[in-house]
Amino acid sequence: KQEVTQIPAALSVPEGENLVLNCSFTDSAIYNLQWFRQDPGKGLTSLLLIQSSQREQTSGRLNASLDKSSGRSTLYIAASQPGDSATYLCAAAGLTYKYIFGTGTRLKVLA
Amino acid sequence: SAVISQKPSRDICQRGTSLTIQCQVDSQVTMMFWYRQQPGQSLTLIATANQGSEATYESGFVIDKFPISRPNLTFSTLTVSNMSPEDSSIYLCSVEEQGTREQYFGPGTRLTVT
Repeated sequence: KQEVTQIPAALSVPEGENLVLNCSFTDSAIYNLQWFRQDPGKGLTSLLLIQSSQREQTSGRLNASLDKSSGRSTLYIAASQPGDSATYLCAAAGLTYKYIFGTGTRLKVLA
Repeated sequence: SAVISQKPSRDICQRGTSLTIQCQVDSQVTMMFWYRQQPGQSLTLIATANQGSEATYESGFVIDKFPISRPNLTFSTLTVSNMSPEDSSIYLCSVEEQGTREQYFGPGTRLTVT
């Protein structure tokens, strides 16, 4: 059974710092790994999708990597801004359609 | 990417009543899902809404409690029946893009049961 965990659970950094969010999954037979952002009380916004054949994806200041053999994905945020403050969720999809979500990292970027 | 809307955005309901949540997508999609996010928790899949047939429920969720309709490829409803305070959550619908299987989410419905 796939389990997805995220470390740290919460993170507070000063503006301008580069930071790394971690996502671990127990079953390496994944189809996709997707990163989302969730603002308080809101829905999820898709940030990056990494398919199983890919090793990383980039969008603006965000870079996500995938290492299936070690069961890990990282989300790198460059030059963090207060507007980046949100909860970041990763989700892994197996060979069936189901996405299993991680526990989330609550990020606060201080001005 | 698909644009998804949900109604209502939030509601406060009395114990023992039912609430129906609507999910509308701006394009035809095959795969549509309903999730629950309890306070301070991550997302849990409730069911897959299948067009033209009964929804497929995950372990711990039953049709009597969470009936789902999917009359066409752009619309679905989730009903939360005989509500109790434990049903207070954010309910989200999502769709999956064919091919990439990228998921997109609606804005969610925040339900409070008193």
